[in-house]
Formats: sequence, structure tokens, C-alpha cells
Amino acid sequence: ELKVEQNPLFLSMQEGKNYTIYCNYSTTSDRLYWYRQDPGKSLESLFVLLSNGAVKQEGRLMASLDTKARLSTLHITAAVHDLSATYFCAVDRRTGNQFYFGTGTSLTVIP
Amino acid sequence: DTEVTQTPKHLVMGMTNKKSLKCEQHMGHRAMYWYKQKAKKPPELMFVYSYEKLSINESVPSRFSPECPNSSLLNLHLHALQPEDSALYLCASSQGVGLMGTEAFFGQGTRLTVV
Repeated sequence: ELKVEQNPLFLSMQEGKNYTIYCNYSTTSDRLYWYRQDPGKSLESLFVLLSNGAVKQEGRLMASLDTKARLSTLHITAAVHDLSATYFCAVDRRTGNQFYFGTGTSLTVIP
Repeated sequence: DTEVTQTPKHLVMGMTNKKSLKCEQHMGHRAMYWYKQKAKKPPELMFVYSYEKLSINESVPSRFSPECPNSSLLNLHLHALQPEDSALYLCASSQGVGLMGTEAFFGQGTRLTVV
């Protein structure tokens, strides 16, 4: 059974602080995706990570992938309130585009 | 255009009703998906269509019946649902099963309430 686990599940952080969200998965996969979801809304694609060692950055968010450790991280730098949302990682099985989502991390940035 | 359009946005149905959810994309994507998402939970994969053929059914009860009339359209037919089926139903598409690096684009979802 494929497991995709994130930690922490809930994260409350102050503006200006840094933090990292972790995504561990149990299957062999070279492809890892990060999504953002605002309350009551759909999912917005943030990053696509396609190989071991891949690193992508956009604004205050940076994502990385270690396929050997089956671990991806989403690092938040100098958090701002607008980053408050739920963040999901998703793993794509090697057999094709089947996106299995992690447990999610609900992030609240406090002024 | 990276838009996936779902209709309706909201749906309330009785347990004896039959209804359908619709999804449309015009990005030329050849893989389409249905996900179910309960409150404060991750999306759960229900069905995957690849080149208009059903390729994945994640042991979904038969009261949910998917249909892919053509490469741009995906339907989910609902019949005899239970209150626990109330959820946000998300449609997504990607370039194609097996193609590298193609993330899924999601529609806005249909919020379904079964009464």
C-alpha cells in the first residue's frame, strides 16, 4: 500500500520565521509534486520535481527531492500571512500519472 | 489556457436521485481524473482515464459511474448515494499517463451534499 506522509500536520508560525515541511513516501518514484489549497478552493500546482536532487524555488518557497531517502521538503523563508493555506505533496507512481496525495500540512502564519 | 471547468459548483441530491457531474478541459490533455475530498483530508483518487479509456478504478462503489465521452470531457454519474458520500469532487487532467513531469491541473470542484 502506498503511503505518503507529511509532517507536521498543523503548523502555526510567526511572520518572518523559517520552517520546513516534510513529505515521506513509501513507493519508488522519481516524480513529486507540491500543491497549495486555500479553504474551500481547489488545488494550485506549486512545484514539479522530476529527479533526485531536484530543487525548485518560487518566492519564499523552495522544494527539494531526495528519491533515495524517499523524502521531499518544502522550505518556507520569512513567512508572510499570504502563505497561510494547506500544502499537499503528491507522488506519481512509476506506472503512470497516478497522483497520490500526502496527508497535508495546514499552515497558519500569524502576524 | 490551463483551465479545468467543472459543473455544477454545488449540488444537493437525495439518496434516490440520479445526477451527473461534468468536467471539461481544452488543453489537449489525454489523462483525466476524479478525486474525492472530505473536509480537512487529502484528495483521494477515484478514477483515471487515459486516452478515453478507464485505466484506474480505486475500488470505488458502483453507485459512482465514470464516463469519458471524448478526450475533453469527463462525467461522473451518481446514483443511490449515501450521506457519507457528501464531499468535494475534484476533476483533474494531465498531459498523459506515462509522460514525464506532467502535473495535474485541477478544476474548482463540485461540492456535493447528499440528504
